[in-house]
Amino acid sequence: NAGVTQTPKFRVLKTGQSMTLLCAQDMNHEYMYWYRQDPGMGLRLIHYSVGEGTTAKGEVPDGYNVSRLKKQNFLLGLESAAPSQTSVYFCASSPGTGVYEQYFGPGTRLTVT
Amino acid sequence: AQSVAQPEDQVIVAEGNPLTVKCTYSVSGNPYLFWYVQYPNRGLQFLLKYITGDNLVKGSYGFEAEFNKSQTSFHLKKPSALVSDSALYFCAVRDIRAAGNKLTFGGGTRVLVKP
Repeated sequence: NAGVTQTPKFRVLKTGQSMTLLCAQDMNHEYMYWYRQDPGMGLRLIHYSVGEGTTAKGEVPDGYNVSRLKKQNFLLGLESAAPSQTSVYFCASSPGTGVYEQYFGPGTRLTVT
Repeated sequence: AQSVAQPEDQVIVAEGNPLTVKCTYSVSGNPYLFWYVQYPNRGLQFLLKYITGDNLVKGSYGFEAEFNKSQTSFHLKKPSALVSDSALYFCAVRDIRAAGNKLTFGGGTRVLVKP
């Protein structure tokens, strides 16, 4: 049982390049989330999904897109990377309705030059 | 809207001494409250949560937290800190009416336990 995994672990992009971050969970969780972590700002929600085929905007969605074509996967895309998107990105998942904690992946460190 | 404040960027304690990490919150309704810990180059790990009932919540690794509704606080405590408790700690809040079980995190408090 791997829990939540993220691919890749590290990536360096040049301004304007695109990339996709992959999150996978093997716990059959309904809900999935993408956060970014910046020093002193905690974690901020980018987008989330409450089920296969659904997505919704979080606190800081601009410049990102997501897709949840399969229940176990949640993809985060950057169409045209900017230096302001340099951050550590975390994926999380949780069971459906109810008061459940979120389970986090190990993170992806992205640098945009 | 929901928000969380962790007023201390860093807390330094000696091993064996009590540890307290402060958290205050703001929600329009009743809160669900969480504490997470992050070790270097790792994801967040769940420590404990408050849903309802007893104001003192016990969690993993000997941590506990006290919910105080009048002061809108949810401070994390450990009676005797260990060097291995050195990490980054996050408080998070969820309004019971928030769609998608969304959490709002505080900025984090770095804990350093000195031998």
